[in-house]
Formats: sequence, structure tokens, C-alpha cells
Amino acid sequence: GQQLNQSPQSMFIQEGEDVSMNCTSSSIFNTWLWYKQDPGEGPVLLIALYKAGELTSNGRLTAQFGITRKDSFLNISASIPSDVGIYFCAGYEGSNYQLIWGAGTKLIIKP
Amino acid sequence: ETGVTQTPRHLVMGMTNKKSLKCEQHLGHNAMYWYKQSAKKPLELMFVYNFKEQTENNSVPSRFSPECPNSSHLFLHLHTLQPEDSALYLCASSQPTGNYGYTFGSGTRLTVV
Repeated sequence: GQQLNQSPQSMFIQEGEDVSMNCTSSSIFNTWLWYKQDPGEGPVLLIALYKAGELTSNGRLTAQFGITRKDSFLNISASIPSDVGIYFCAGYEGSNYQLIWGAGTKLIIKP
Repeated sequence: ETGVTQTPRHLVMGMTNKKSLKCEQHLGHNAMYWYKQSAKKPLELMFVYNFKEQTENNSVPSRFSPECPNSSHLFLHLHTLQPEDSALYLCASSQPTGNYGYTFGSGTRLTVV
């Protein structure tokens, strides 16, 4: 099935650094969602975006719905050890109510 | 606790065994999903149920058999599995319409020996 292009695949960063990841699609999406998956757990919804250009924050996390409606990004400021995990973008396309997923960005924080 | 409960959390089974995974939600959702997550692979949608009716089967082998007796419960029956079926099996639920995302359970870590 269709899949979103999510990058980077993985990131090694120092504690305290800012993180940026993004997701693109070949078609227009009407909703973008960002999830985080901790090891051994299911993904948990972090941020939902419903309008082109929308910028939404959740603590140190900020996500934006791209103006073209074909992309979204997630920023994490001042990363801390508990930020490690896999971050997934997902979205709804048109009138289809099944989520389409990116492959995930694995965040690893160097001690 | 997300509102979606999966049992067991871990399962080790032989290739000739029969076992079942259980998923339960009391969020009032009417759509439920089974996903497979293997190491270094994207989430793979297996089955979708809307209002207890199966609406999608993503070419899943017949050794995986889903069952949805009501909108709150979903099972995945397993028999004669292969080692490559070892993975994290995630259940999720949502409203069948509306763009609110899915709520996931914690998953069942399945190892086939």
C-alpha cells in the first residue's frame, strides 16, 4: 500500500540538541499525525494537524502541516534521554479513513 | 494505559501450536485493526474491522485468522506459524470516520520457535 516518505531513518544526537524530522507524500493529505513509540510499546499520538500551515506545539515538540498539504515536520527542542524511541508520521488522504504511515525515525541520544 | 488492552504481552509458541491474541477497548470506537511490526520494517496493516465487519485483509496468510465478536473485542488466532512470523503484533482502534488517529495497545511480542 501507499507509504509516506519519512526522513531521516535514524538520528544520533547529543542530549540538549534540537531534532528535526519530516514526512512527505506524493498526494494531498487532509490530516497529519505524529506518533512516538517507546521500546516494547505501541505508538502514542503526540500531535494532530488538521489545516494547511497549522503549527502546533506539545511541550518541547512542535509540528507543522505544510502549505502544499504534501508534507509535515516535527521538531523536538532541547532533547532529553526519554525522547529516545521511534517517531512515526501518519496521515489521512482525501475521504479515505485509513491511516497511511511513514517508516519511522529512530532517535538515539548519545550519552 | 491507553484504553486498548492486549494480552498476552509476550508469547512464545512452536510452529505446530495454536494460540490466540486478544485485544479489548472500551473507548467507544467502532473500528479495530491488527498491525504487524517486524524489526527494521514499517508498520504492516493486516486486518481492519468496521462495526464488526472485516473490511480489509491485506493479503495475510491464512495461518492468521481474525475474529471480531463485537466492537470492543478483537482476536487474532494463530496456527502453524513460521519463524518469520515472529514480530510485535499491535492492535489499534478508532472511530471509523473522522481524522482523529488510532489508539494502540502495547502489543504482543510473539516469538515462533
